[in-house]
Amino acid sequence: DAKTTQPTSMDCAEGRAANLPCNHSTISGNEYVYWYRQIHSQGPQYIIHGLKNNETNEMASLIITEDRKSSTLILPHATLRDTAVYYCIVGSGGSNYKLTFGKGTLLTVNP
Amino acid sequence: EAQVTQNPRYLITVTGKKLTVTCSQNMNHEYMSWYRQDPGLGLRQIYYSMNVEVTDKGDVPEGYKVSRKEKRNFPLILESPSPNQTSLYFCASSQRQAQGYTFGSGTRLTVV
Repeated sequence: DAKTTQPTSMDCAEGRAANLPCNHSTISGNEYVYWYRQIHSQGPQYIIHGLKNNETNEMASLIITEDRKSSTLILPHATLRDTAVYYCIVGSGGSNYKLTFGKGTLLTVNP
Repeated sequence: EAQVTQNPRYLITVTGKKLTVTCSQNMNHEYMSWYRQDPGLGLRQIYYSMNVEVTDKGDVPEGYKVSRKEKRNFPLILESPSPNQTSLYFCASSQRQAQGYTFGSGTRLTVV
């Protein structure tokens, strides 16, 4: 499985965009990039996923570089409730049934 | 409401006493999975299931059993719990190649 590298922590001001980077240089052609977040000890929450194209939903946008070796999750207007650990994950073998979670990025949104 | 339901939320048990943590989803998802989360080790997959009667080991399957007799249910069985299985457990389900996993609220298990 492709491994991912994320910063350990990041800060963001409330109301500003939060840009969370992720490196996945060994990603293979049929592997998706998934983003989840976990608030304290709650169950992880799915945010968004993509293969090649940029994606946007009601929660966030996902920008994947053309070579697919890195991606950025964008929360357009961060709120205090977006404070969480954000996980960037590459799906195993093109299927999404096996996801390996790393340590993630602790995003702290400050007032 | 679409959800994954785990029971119980909290459980304290003694070493060696068999227990089952139930997991049920109402979204007709094919894939289901169990994870455990420990401080410093993150989320690790225990077992997963791709459909009824189809299960496979994840990264840390030792000491656990699962079954998938019905599409909606995926119980996690600890035949002889030990203190190193004290952890926070999450069940999750997903449709193939779709929206990603929906996770349950977690079961905090303590084995003394």
